[in-house]
Amino acid sequence: DGGITQSPKYLFRKEGQNVTLSCEQNLNHDAMYWYRQDPGQGLRLIYYSQIVNDFQKGDIAEGYSVSREKKESFPLTVTSAQKNPTAFYLCASSIVGREQFFGPGTRLTVL
Amino acid sequence: QKEVEQNSGPLSVPEGAIASLNCTYSDRGSQSFFWYRQYSGKSPELIMSIYSNGDKEDGRFTAQLNKASQYVSLLIRDSQPSDSATYLCAVNANNFNKFYFGSGTKLNVKP
Repeated sequence: DGGITQSPKYLFRKEGQNVTLSCEQNLNHDAMYWYRQDPGQGLRLIYYSQIVNDFQKGDIAEGYSVSREKKESFPLTVTSAQKNPTAFYLCASSIVGREQFFGPGTRLTVL
Repeated sequence: QKEVEQNSGPLSVPEGAIASLNCTYSDRGSQSFFWYRQYSGKSPELIMSIYSNGDKEDGRFTAQLNKASQYVSLLIRDSQPSDSATYLCAVNANNFNKFYFGSGTKLNVKP
């Protein structure tokens, strides 16, 4: 089965804690993306990567970090510097310039 | 000005009617355009991609693109209650690396 997986589905973070969201794809896509969605809002781009070992900041990168050590994997770390991290986090992948396909998402809540 | 603008709705149509969803974008050099459907609490799923001016039909869905007017629309014929969702318009920016998403139009199809 080809697709994108994200884990965990739900995540709870305490104040001052870093947490890492997993994203894996077996579609052989070069490009991967992380978005944040707040209730009733559209998608905002956090980071994206076109190739292994390279990534670019999106519109709201502050307080987040990523790595792209393997083509299949693009984990996102939400650091303690992100003051309002409660949101729905979506990972996507694509052939560069073509349609993006999304994983099921991770819902992060700050306790 | 936002990169991609959509009317937030809600747009209410009776079952069996045609639903018309609209989107405008600001980057005249944009090359490709996408419509996604997002059910509440779920991740977006791709409905249509369109790359050239004119109409593209897929089943009950028709995407229309007018690059001169910087306008893209989605028509849903014979609307069903299961079509009730938020529809996101996405535009691939001129550099082929970034997608810009509208905030979505909420569609309600009433039985």
